[in-house]
Amino acid sequence: GQNIDQPTEMTATEGAIVQINCTYQTSGFNGLFWYQQHAGEAPTFLSYNVLDGLEEKGRFSSFLSRSKGYSYLLLKELQMKDSASYLCAVMDSNYQLIWGAGTKLIIKP
Amino acid sequence: DSGVTQTPKHLITATGQRVTLRCSPRSGDLSVYWYQQSLDQGLQFLIQYYNGEERAKGNILERFSAQQFPDLHSELNLSSLELGDSALYFCASSTGQGEVGTAEQFFGPGTRLTVL
Repeated sequence: GQNIDQPTEMTATEGAIVQINCTYQTSGFNGLFWYQQHAGEAPTFLSYNVLDGLEEKGRFSSFLSRSKGYSYLLLKELQMKDSASYLCAVMDSNYQLIWGAGTKLIIKP
Repeated sequence: DSGVTQTPKHLITATGQRVTLRCSPRSGDLSVYWYQQSLDQGLQFLIQYYNGEERAKGNILERFSAQQFPDLHSELNLSSLELGDSALYFCASSTGQGEVGTAEQFFGPGTRLTVL
């Protein structure tokens, strides 16, 4: 079967760095997405990785290792507004998005 | 603002009833996706349409049905509603069917359905 694993919840301190991991087992691979979702709101796109390596976008970076079935989202200089759920999703060989359950990130002052 | 619109924003109804949720995709997007998100749960993919045709089916109950019209807007019909159907229903759209480069999904604000 297809599976996406992420930690359920993480806590970090304002100004610090946090890494949210995602491991996956899917039927084929056509890219990995990270989305941010604030409570009660729609998910918004953060990043897309299809090749191995690190993609940096401001305070957010996303890493992919296809051979290990592994990705992480790195958030730097954490701000209170970063408190949200972070969703990992993998596109399989049929171009269908398989979604993880999300990681709830709590930022403390 | 993602450019995806959904109506209504909130819907309160009773068990056994039927409701219709509406979604208009971003201009130019041919794919529409429907998701269900229960309280503190992950996104559950329901169904995808591409240019009027059903493209993929997820965990959609037989009581639920959807369609995409020639103008590309989509409707999700939920019937014989149960208490457990209370959730946020999101619509998303993308440019293509999901191939690399067209796969980014843009989400609407959602419809919050409460079944009493």
